[in-house]
Amino acid sequence: NAGVTQTPKFRILKIGQSMTLQCTQDMNHNYMYWYRQDPGMGLKLIYYSVGAGITDKGEVPNGYNVSRSTTEDFPLRLELAAPSQTSVYFCASSYSRQGGNYEQYFGPGTRLTVT
Amino acid sequence: SQKIEQNSEALNIQEGKTATLTCNYTNYSPAYLQWYRQDPGRGPVFLLLIRENEKEKRKERLKVTFDTTLKQSLFHITASQPADSATYLCALANAGNNRKLIWGLGTSLAVNP
Repeated sequence: NAGVTQTPKFRILKIGQSMTLQCTQDMNHNYMYWYRQDPGMGLKLIYYSVGAGITDKGEVPNGYNVSRSTTEDFPLRLELAAPSQTSVYFCASSYSRQGGNYEQYFGPGTRLTVT
Repeated sequence: SQKIEQNSEALNIQEGKTATLTCNYTNYSPAYLQWYRQDPGRGPVFLLLIRENEKEKRKERLKVTFDTTLKQSLFHITASQPADSATYLCALANAGNNRKLIWGLGTSLAVNP
């Protein structure tokens, strides 16, 4: 199993450009998450999905969009990039079972700079 | 307000000693609490989970305790090694809304040889 994979690893965007961060998991997990992590600020949830076709907002969804057309893929779309979106982005997945979702498995992250 | 707090100051200990990291929370009713390790430039890696009705969990040199009266979890690494140097994150799942984890900021641990 490759686990959770993310592309690209690094990206520099100009203000106003758009891009899609890709995330794929091969563990057949139903739950998937997008986080951003800024220095000293901890992990902030952007969006999450409980299954194909179902997504919901997290703490900091503004400026982002997601879709979940398959169990494996959960892309994150940035429209009109702003310097405030400079961050490291992590995708994660977990398997829900009776009693709750347990451990989350994280991808290696995408380091995004908007200038 | 709801808060989850970890030691903000880095913890420096000597190799072989026990490292103890703290996670405190207020105004949550956790269904369970998890601990993760994060190395620089990498995503967090799951270590241990402890449920609200459990007092203690162990895995090799790791031990987690959970005191719902004190609203605190302690994470212990015994016989610490330089390879244990990393940032350790706690995260809790609130009862009734355990689709999402609420994350602490993490504590940086440095184990000196």
